[in-house]
Amino acid sequence: KQEVTQIPAALSVPEGENLVLNCSFTDSAIYNLQWFRQDPGKGLTSLLLIQSSQREQTSGRLNASLDKSSGRSTLYIAASQPGDSATYLCAVSLSADRGSTLGRLYFGRGTQLTVWP
Amino acid sequence: NAGVMQNPRHLVRRRGQEARLRCSPMKGHSHVYWYRQLPEEGLKFMVYLQKENIIDESGMPKERFSAEFPKEGPSILRIQQVVRGDSAAYFCASSPGTGSFGYTFGSGTRLTVV
Repeated sequence: KQEVTQIPAALSVPEGENLVLNCSFTDSAIYNLQWFRQDPGKGLTSLLLIQSSQREQTSGRLNASLDKSSGRSTLYIAASQPGDSATYLCAVSLSADRGSTLGRLYFGRGTQLTVWP
Repeated sequence: NAGVMQNPRHLVRRRGQEARLRCSPMKGHSHVYWYRQLPEEGLKFMVYLQKENIIDESGMPKERFSAEFPKEGPSILRIQQVVRGDSAAYFCASSPGTGSFGYTFGSGTRLTVV
């Protein structure tokens, strides 16, 4: 069974700081990994998708890395802004040889980020 | 091109009533997934459907819960005889295929059972 853990559970930083959010997963036979953002009372917004064969993906101030063998991913946010305040979720899908439907995502509980001015 | 549309946004039901949650996937997406987010918990997979087929329902409670994705119309998650423990946010996601495609989530339906 895939377990996804995110550390820290909460993070509060001043505006302008560079920060790193961590995600670990117990079964390294993943198909892909996706980072989402969730605002209070809202749905999920996809930020970055990393295929299992990739090492990292970048979008603007966001960079996500993947080390499949060690079961880890990090989300790096550069020059944080108050508008980045949200909960960040990491989710993985397992490869087909694990007997899991490719469509199924396993989520961590998220890191609640607060960026204050 | 609207995203994934879920309705209603908020739903209040008394214990014992039925709840029907609707999800219209993005245009061109034929794969639909339902997830539940209980208070203070992460999102948990419930069911994966394609048009007229249930592909994986391993995350669905065995009783009272059912899902469908008909040939025409939205996907429906149905909860019969709701109990307080069913209070949660229910999210629908869609994708054009499995595996290498990312998922687009709707804004969710927040079900409150009183």
